[in-house]
Amino acid sequence: DTAVSQTPKYLVTQMGNDKSIKCEQNLGHDTMYWYKQDSKKFLKIMFSYNNKELIINETVPNRFSPKSPDKAHLNLHINSLELGDSAVYFCASSQVTSNEQFFGPGTRLTVL
Amino acid sequence: GNSVTQMEGPVTLSEEAFLTINCTYTATGYPSLFWYVQYPGEGLQLLLKATKADDKGSNKGFEATYRKETTSFHLEKGSVQVSDSAVYFCALKRSRNSGYALNFGKGTSLLVTP
Repeated sequence: DTAVSQTPKYLVTQMGNDKSIKCEQNLGHDTMYWYKQDSKKFLKIMFSYNNKELIINETVPNRFSPKSPDKAHLNLHINSLELGDSAVYFCASSQVTSNEQFFGPGTRLTVL
Repeated sequence: GNSVTQMEGPVTLSEEAFLTINCTYTATGYPSLFWYVQYPGEGLQLLLKATKADDKGSNKGFEATYRKETTSFHLEKGSVQVSDSAVYFCALKRSRNSGYALNFGKGTSLLVTP
């Protein structure tokens, strides 16, 4: 069983389109995250959710809107995609009392 | 703010060589520290962790010691294998107000040749 899963694995789209990435965890964790990894492999936190509530939004443009329908899911919707949005997006989850975050396999987004 | 600095790669070593990847941190207090590894085309896996000063994390032959005097958490392995080729990330855990998110270093790419 996959602990943290993301769909799709690859996403190729045109500038200006709207797209979504889905994330699900079956670990029973109460906290979920989205990270962005750029072309130089640099990883940066975008959002953190605890029990479906937004905890942090790290200066991410309003075009990015996370949604957490329940504790096991954290989806990422991106409006009006731009070339600079091309990156690998990783979902992660943890139990707030734990020190380990579990990462999904990533979604490689390419904006043409 | 809290941040992590790690040595830039790529690092190229021969099999069975000794590995050190330097990592230093800047933080208020003493955050938990981690090393994550990313194999080609995959997500991140936790390699080891340390939650307080002088703790030593270890896993798969890798070790790192949390040193508050030098604010460092250097990764070491005595004898690397080709299968260790990957990108290694040092990270610290932020505070509760920041959702306990991780701040990562820029990653160090390691290539081990036979």
